[in-house]
Amino acid sequence: AQSVTQPDIHITVSEGASLELRCNYSYGATPYLFWYVQSPGQGLQLLLKYFSGDTLVQGIKGFEAEFKRSQSSFNLRKPSVHWSDAAEYFCAVGATGGYNKLIFGAGTRLAVHP
Amino acid sequence: DSGVTQTPKHLITATGQRVTLRCSPRSGDLSVYWYQQSLDQGLQFLIQYYNGEERAKGNILERFSAQQFPDLHSELNLSSLELGDSALYFCASSVVGAGGRTDTQYFGPGTRLTVL
Repeated sequence: AQSVTQPDIHITVSEGASLELRCNYSYGATPYLFWYVQSPGQGLQLLLKYFSGDTLVQGIKGFEAEFKRSQSSFNLRKPSVHWSDAAEYFCAVGATGGYNKLIFGAGTRLAVHP
Repeated sequence: DSGVTQTPKHLITATGQRVTLRCSPRSGDLSVYWYQQSLDQGLQFLIQYYNGEERAKGNILERFSAQQFPDLHSELNLSSLELGDSALYFCASSVVGAGGRTDTQYFGPGTRLTVL
């Protein structure tokens, strides 16, 4: 069965520091992968997605993610974090079998110190 | 703003009651999805509709039902509510979402349901 693991429940970084949020997936074929961000009291905003092609994908707000098939990973990165990046981040994989549902990880809550 | 709208934003009700959550997809999107976000279960897929027809079912309770209308808006009906149904309910939409192809889902702001 497909699954997504986000090993870090909470991460705290200082403003201006670099960030990497980890995501590992379990999937039989080439996955469709997504990162969403949820700010407090808000909905889910799409940061970026990977369907095929270049394994390094760029997203909004200066985020990027790299698909590594050998490691079953799709880690999210940002070179310099801003205080406004404090939020919860969800990695998701698109399901197979003709279904389009998303399977989400448990999320990583990011806190940013000034 | 994703273009997906959900009403109401907040809903407070009592156990045993029935509520209806409404979702309007982005213009041109044919698929609507419902997800539940709770502290203990995380984000769980409930159900998908594509162009008015049920397409996929996830962990949706029998007390819950949904439909998609000809104008493509969707409603999620929750009945015989229990305390454990308190959660944030998201609607998402995508262009197609059929034929074995995953496409991008855009999420609404959610409806926070509190059952007392």
